[in-house]
Amino acid sequence: DGGITQSPKYLFRKEGQNVTLSCEQNLNHDAMYWYRQDPGQGLRLIYYSQIVNDFQKGDIAEGYSVSREKKESFPLTVTSAQKNPTAFYLCASSIGRGRELFFGEGSRLTVL
Amino acid sequence: KNEVEQSPQNLTAQEGEFITINCSYSVGISALHWLQQHPGGGIVSLFMLSSGKKKHGRLIATINIQEKHSSLHITASHPRDSAVYICAVRENTGNQFYFGTGTSLTVIP
Repeated sequence: DGGITQSPKYLFRKEGQNVTLSCEQNLNHDAMYWYRQDPGQGLRLIYYSQIVNDFQKGDIAEGYSVSREKKESFPLTVTSAQKNPTAFYLCASSIGRGRELFFGEGSRLTVL
Repeated sequence: KNEVEQSPQNLTAQEGEFITINCSYSVGISALHWLQQHPGGGIVSLFMLSSGKKKHGRLIATINIQEKHSSLHITASHPRDSAVYICAVRENTGNQFYFGTGTSLTVIP
């Protein structure tokens, strides 16, 4: 079945460590996104990519990095520079920018 | 400043009740989405609409572009409808998405 796979579902990290969240899609979508979800807030855009080898910062990109070497894959690295990384992270994709979004199951990151 | 406001934030209903969740937005949009987020966290798109009304099973979504308002209705609610419902709008200038904070619905048997 077509869809978006995020891994890991749960991740614990010590302060000062970088961690990479995986996002893979087999929907043949050009656009991919990373969102952060915190209690009581709407989803906030971290990074998005409209095409391979190109990506743009979203509203809260500081402390995060991404790559888009393959159409199917859009990994997110949470670096030690991110001051408050504990959150729920959602990856999404769409046929094109602004079109209907399809979401993964999310990854919950906890910094100890 | 929130571009998308939802109400209520939390809602508890008895099984079988008719439920309404409201969404107001302040930007010009090209489309509005209703999303469902289950306790595990994954999000599923329920509706995408730009005018009028759409129906899927027991779910009905309406939008009034002039009033910048949308409603999601659930008829004959069931415990399996318990989830967080999120309103999202696609801005008509830069194609940016704005998300509401969600309405947490609990349906009691």
